[in-house]
Amino acid sequence: TQLLEQSPQFLSIQEGENLTVYCNSSSVFSSLQWYRQEPGEGPVLLVTVVTGGEVKKLKRLTFQFGDARKDSSLHITAAQPGDTGLYLCAGNYGGSQGNLIFGKGTKLSVKP
Amino acid sequence: ETGVTQSPTHLIKTRGQQVTLRCSSQSGHNTVSWYQQALGQGPQFIFQYYREEENGRGNFPPRFSGLQFPNYSSELNVNALELDDSALYLCASSSPGRHTGELFFGEGSRLTVL
Repeated sequence: TQLLEQSPQFLSIQEGENLTVYCNSSSVFSSLQWYRQEPGEGPVLLVTVVTGGEVKKLKRLTFQFGDARKDSSLHITAAQPGDTGLYLCAGNYGGSQGNLIFGKGTKLSVKP
Repeated sequence: ETGVTQSPTHLIKTRGQQVTLRCSSQSGHNTVSWYQQALGQGPQFIFQYYREEENGRGNFPPRFSGLQFPNYSSELNVNALELDDSALYLCASSSPGRHTGELFFGEGSRLTVL
């Protein structure tokens, strides 16, 4: 059974600080996505990584995929209150297209 | 372009009852997946529909069933509701040819079972 471990589970920081969220698995992903979810809403896709060692940047967010495609990280620079939310990583292990394994998420709170 | 829409947004049922949740996929998307998200957890895959047929199923009992219609909209049916079925049910659609698993989610249907 594939399992995604996310850490930390909770993170409360001040505006302007940097942070990193981690996503780890014992299995190799064919692809991995990061989503952000706000209370009462569905997850919104941030990025997809496919190639081992890949780095993608989305404004202040930097996403990295491990060389062995078993882990990923999300780094946020100079966090803002608008970054508050639940960050979920989700892996596709080559099953049906919509069958993603999600981690439990990292709940981020950025205080002004 | 219309996004994924779900209905109802909230509903309350009692144990043993049955519920039907509905989903309209994003324009141009022919694949629909359903997920269950319990409080404090990540979404869990229930099943996926492609061209009106079930195309992958997670670890959920047979009382969770679904349908997909020719216009790609979908329904999730849950029979004999249990207290543990209380959760946010998310529908997600994806476009044909995208093999990297990117999903576009609706806002979900919050089900409470009393």
